[in-house]
Amino acid sequence: SQQGEEDPQALSIQEGENATMNCSYKTSINNLQWYRQNSGRGLVHLILIRSNEREKHSGRLRVTLDTSKKSSSLLITASRAADTASYFCATVPFTGFQKLVFGTGTRLLVSP
Amino acid sequence: DGGITQSPKYLFRKEGQNVTLSCEQNLNHDAMYWYRQDPGQGLRLIYYSQIVNDFQKGDIAEGYSVSREKKESFPLTVTSAQKNPTAFYLCASSFQMNTEAFFGQGTRLTVV
Repeated sequence: SQQGEEDPQALSIQEGENATMNCSYKTSINNLQWYRQNSGRGLVHLILIRSNEREKHSGRLRVTLDTSKKSSSLLITASRAADTASYFCATVPFTGFQKLVFGTGTRLLVSP
Repeated sequence: DGGITQSPKYLFRKEGQNVTLSCEQNLNHDAMYWYRQDPGQGLRLIYYSQIVNDFQKGDIAEGYSVSREKKESFPLTVTSAQKNPTAFYLCASSFQMNTEAFFGQGTRLTVV
């Protein structure tokens, strides 16, 4: 089962622009994580935000979490061509078995 | 270097054959996972293991088997019972089930 749904499915921007990706989920969570995947490669962890946190920053990344709306957003500021990748959100349920459940991802293309 | 290693990178299987995908980690992580990724889809959990000598079925375990005899190793066997095995397989590990996961570079399995 896939709990997270990313929006949009694909995003195309120019270098220097900001990229915003959204994730919605269905059940209460312990934490939410964002991952990046370059084509044909493994996933790389970007950031983890806990259910009692509302915003987190890491370099050019900004993640927000709204538990009342069951949604999160990932903002990449001043994007670069090297940011081209797929981005996935993954949730850990608050109750029951605490496994990562991945969404379907957003494909980001940053053109020079 | 600490990390998680999958081998081989590419694997071809004839119909009716079993094949085993290797996954090794030297991160001293207790939890390990196998995911399957199909084009345009997110990651789906095949099997997971929280500790040595213990493993559980994920969402799509049919046609697959695993073992966890050592903390460092979590091999996945794709059996002939798996009707559509062509996919990208990703192994991951984490300190605990709800913490950030570290991924290998994946194995692309093709049935010929």
